[in-house]
Amino acid sequence: GQNIDQPTEMTATEGAIVQINCTYQTSGFNGLFWYQQHAGEAPTFLSYNVLDGLEEKGRFSSFLSRSKGYSYLLLKELQMKDSASYLCAVTPWSGGYNKLIFGAGTRLAVHP
Amino acid sequence: DVKVTQSSRYLVKRTGEKVFLECVQDMDHENMFWYRQDPGLGLRLIYFSYDVKMKEKGDIPEGYSVSREKKERFSLILESASTNQTSMYLCASSSQGSGTEAFFGQGTRLTVV
Repeated sequence: GQNIDQPTEMTATEGAIVQINCTYQTSGFNGLFWYQQHAGEAPTFLSYNVLDGLEEKGRFSSFLSRSKGYSYLLLKELQMKDSASYLCAVTPWSGGYNKLIFGAGTRLAVHP
Repeated sequence: DVKVTQSSRYLVKRTGEKVFLECVQDMDHENMFWYRQDPGLGLRLIYFSYDVKMKEKGDIPEGYSVSREKKERFSLILESASTNQTSMYLCASSSQGSGTEAFFGQGTRLTVV
């Protein structure tokens, strides 16, 4: 079966650091994505991890541990515009079709 | 600027109607997907297509069908709309190969009354 878990809601303060966790159990694994979705808008790509370790991209970093079925998204120097939902998604092996299985998403509220 | 375009932003349909949701991408992507997004459930895959005229069921295909007659266009069909199909529908596309990001359309908010 497929199961992807992430917290439903988080709050943080502007300028702080927040870590959003994601655990997964899927039949096959070919990478993990993080997407950002502002209210009423389409999801947009943030990061992709397929190997263990940390990928850094500006204020955002994403970590993966395949053996633990665990990932996190780290947001530094939080800004008000970072208030959004963050979606963890796994690509099971599907012959290159890049089918994405999503978690329910984490709604992040950044306060002044 | 890459683009995935869904034909309607908002739709209201009656129970039992046949509903067509259209999606067009301009990136020459092989893969196209239809998801529905509901509060607390996230995005759930309905159908996907990896080539013209090819389709595969996702996790929740019941009550839906799809059509892909041209590479750039992927249509979702609700054969007989029901109130439990009221949802946000998102189309996405991606190229073949590992780790390629999916690009999403703006979504269609469908209400079935």
